[in-house]
Amino acid sequence: GDSVTQMEGPVTLSEEAFLTINCTYTATGYPSLFWYVQYPGEGLQLLLKATKADDKGSNKGFEATYRKETTSFHLEKGSVQVSDSAVYFCALSEVGGSQGNLIFGKGTKLSVKP
Amino acid sequence: DAGVTQSPTHLIKTRGQHVTLRCSPISGHKSVSWYQQVLGQGPQFIFQYYEKEERGRGNFPDRFSARQFPNYSSELNVNALLLGDSALYLCASSPRPGPSTSNTGELFFGEGSRLTVL
Repeated sequence: GDSVTQMEGPVTLSEEAFLTINCTYTATGYPSLFWYVQYPGEGLQLLLKATKADDKGSNKGFEATYRKETTSFHLEKGSVQVSDSAVYFCALSEVGGSQGNLIFGKGTKLSVKP
Repeated sequence: DAGVTQSPTHLIKTRGQHVTLRCSPISGHKSVSWYQQVLGQGPQFIFQYYEKEERGRGNFPDRFSARQFPNYSSELNVNALLLGDSALYLCASSPRPGPSTSNTGELFFGEGSRLTVL
């Protein structure tokens, strides 16, 4: 079945450092891809998404490009802030599947130190 | 505007007991999905309901059941609780379900109900 693999955490960075969180997927067809973020004490929130190959999703300085050839959707940010400390989840939505059925990776905890 | 609300936020049960978790979706959203998030793992899909009908079911035993009401709120029921059912249970709403050839899949999550089974 479809699956998502994320880099293991936790990741600890200093403020203004460059961030990459790797995400690869296994799926039939061309799924939609997402990054969700879970801030401490809050629910999951959609950070960005891409629905077809070569699309770039972006939000709040974060970017991720849907790479069909490498089945990847790596999350990047050029300069992280303390407020970016959270758990980040990569997810996919199967083509033709239920909109309510997202397949999530295990999550990567990011801690940003001042 | 109110987001997805879940109740209770925390609860403790013992093995063999039954639990009911409740969810109110965002106003105007007709689809509700339930996820289980075990500590250190990503959320796993349990159910999706739309217009009071089950539209999807994940790989969970029959001890798990759910329903959706005419006002689109939903309940998740778990019978004969096991220690392994301890988790954060998340509810998510969306305007409509799939399937769709261009599935955008954005879900709006509540903060969850944390269940501890002793």
